[in-house]
Amino acid sequence: DAGVIQSPRHEVTEMGQEVTLRCKPISGHNSLFWYRQTMMRGLELLIYFNNNVPIDDSGMPEDRFSAKMPNASFSTLKIQPSEPRDSAVYFCASSLVTSGRGSYEQYFGPGTRLTVT
Amino acid sequence: TQLLEQSPQFLSIQEGENLTVYCNSSSVFSSLQWYRQEPGEGPVLLVTVVTGGEVKKLKRLTFQFGDARKDSSLHITAAQPGDTGLYLCAGNTGGFKTIFGAGTRLFVKA
Repeated sequence: DAGVIQSPRHEVTEMGQEVTLRCKPISGHNSLFWYRQTMMRGLELLIYFNNNVPIDDSGMPEDRFSAKMPNASFSTLKIQPSEPRDSAVYFCASSLVTSGRGSYEQYFGPGTRLTVT
Repeated sequence: TQLLEQSPQFLSIQEGENLTVYCNSSSVFSSLQWYRQEPGEGPVLLVTVVTGGEVKKLKRLTFQFGDARKDSSLHITAAQPGDTGLYLCAGNTGGFKTIFGAGTRLFVKA
């Protein structure tokens, strides 16, 4: 199994530019999560999907952030326009949520390190 | 607001020493996970505990879930440099959402 795949691994962009982060979850998983990690704030949940439907996007910091999951094998997180304070490591994780149970184990991708100058 | 507090935040020890890190909350969790994260990588799942009082062992690591399912501990026996990393606990209340603690950053010196 390839695990969760994220691309790019590193992204350096200038303030004001659009940034798109990509994620391919583990095949068969039905839930997908986007997190942001910084030294100051730790791991923050941005949004999660179940069966490709956004369930909770209350963690998305601003309207500049948007996420989509057009099918079970692909998701994007877009920042437009980007700002220096968006610099962080962004993780995608997937999980299998079965009926009657919450999200137990999550499997994380390697992350995308975003630097906005 | 649900919160998971981890302690200590940072721990630096010599190889061969034992250590315990803690994860506490006022909320009751249906399950709790421990993850380890190494620099430049994503968190990797170590264990899930679901029953109050449950103890699980993974080689030199011992995980315990509190009787009331509000807290957990991770004990490492005879720590090795390879144990260095950020240890995160994460709790589920039964929904889709997982709450992560801020982590304990462990450094084991050879």
